[in-house]
Amino acid sequence: NAGVMQNPRHLVRRRGQEARLRCSPMKGHSHVYWYRQLPEEGLKFMVYLQKENIIDESGMPKERFSAEFPKEGPSILRIQQVVRGDSAAYFCASSPPVPGEQYFGPGTRLTVT
Amino acid sequence: DQQVKQNSPSLSVQEGRISILNCDYTNSMFDYFLWYKKYPAEGPTFLISISSIKDKNEDGRFTVFLNKSAKHLSLHIVPSQPGDSAVYFCAARAYSGNTPLVFGKGTRLSVIA
Repeated sequence: NAGVMQNPRHLVRRRGQEARLRCSPMKGHSHVYWYRQLPEEGLKFMVYLQKENIIDESGMPKERFSAEFPKEGPSILRIQQVVRGDSAAYFCASSPPVPGEQYFGPGTRLTVT
Repeated sequence: DQQVKQNSPSLSVQEGRISILNCDYTNSMFDYFLWYKKYPAEGPTFLISISSIKDKNEDGRFTVFLNKSAKHLSLHIVPSQPGDSAVYFCAARAYSGNTPLVFGKGTRLSVIA
C-alpha cells in the first residue's frame, strides 16, 4: 500500500510565477490536508479537503492561494504570483473516512528566487 | 497565540537511557493528541497517539502520558537508540472526527552513542 505521494519534491520559482503542488493520498483515504512549515517552525494548517469539497480553508491566505481535490486525480495546492515569503516546505497528509491519524507525504520544498 | 507548546528546542540523551519530551497545550477543546517524528527532508511519521479519555498509551519503547488537569503530555522513549535522533512534534486536535492538527514547534532529540 503506497503512502502519501507528493510531487515535485523540490520546486524553484521566480517571483511572480505560479507554483503547483500535487498530492496523491493513500489508497482508501478520502480526506486531504495541506500544511506549511517555515524554517525552525512547526507545521501550520492551511486547508482541509474531501473529494470535490473544501471543508476548512481557515489557514490559507485569502489571496494567491487555492486548493482543490477533484473527483479524479490528485489534490493540488496552487500559489499564484509567488513571493519570497512563500518559500517553505509544503506537506500533504491524508486520513481515512473514519476518524484516525493523518499520514504525511514527503513534502514539496518550494524556493522562490 | 501558540496553542501547542514544546518549550525545549533540543534534548541530548545517552544511548540506552530514557528520553522525555514534553508538550503543553492551552485549548481545552483538544481531545486527541499525537506525536510525530521527522527526519530532515522527509515528512512527519506518526508515532503514537492518546485520547483524552486515557492518561497513558504504550507502544513498544514509546509511551505517551497525558495530564489533562495540567494540560500537559509527555513522550517517553526507553531505551533510547541512535536511530531515534530526529525532530519530534507534538500535535493536537479538537473534537472527534477528521479535523486539522495543531502542531508544536518541535524538539530535536539527539541520542549519543
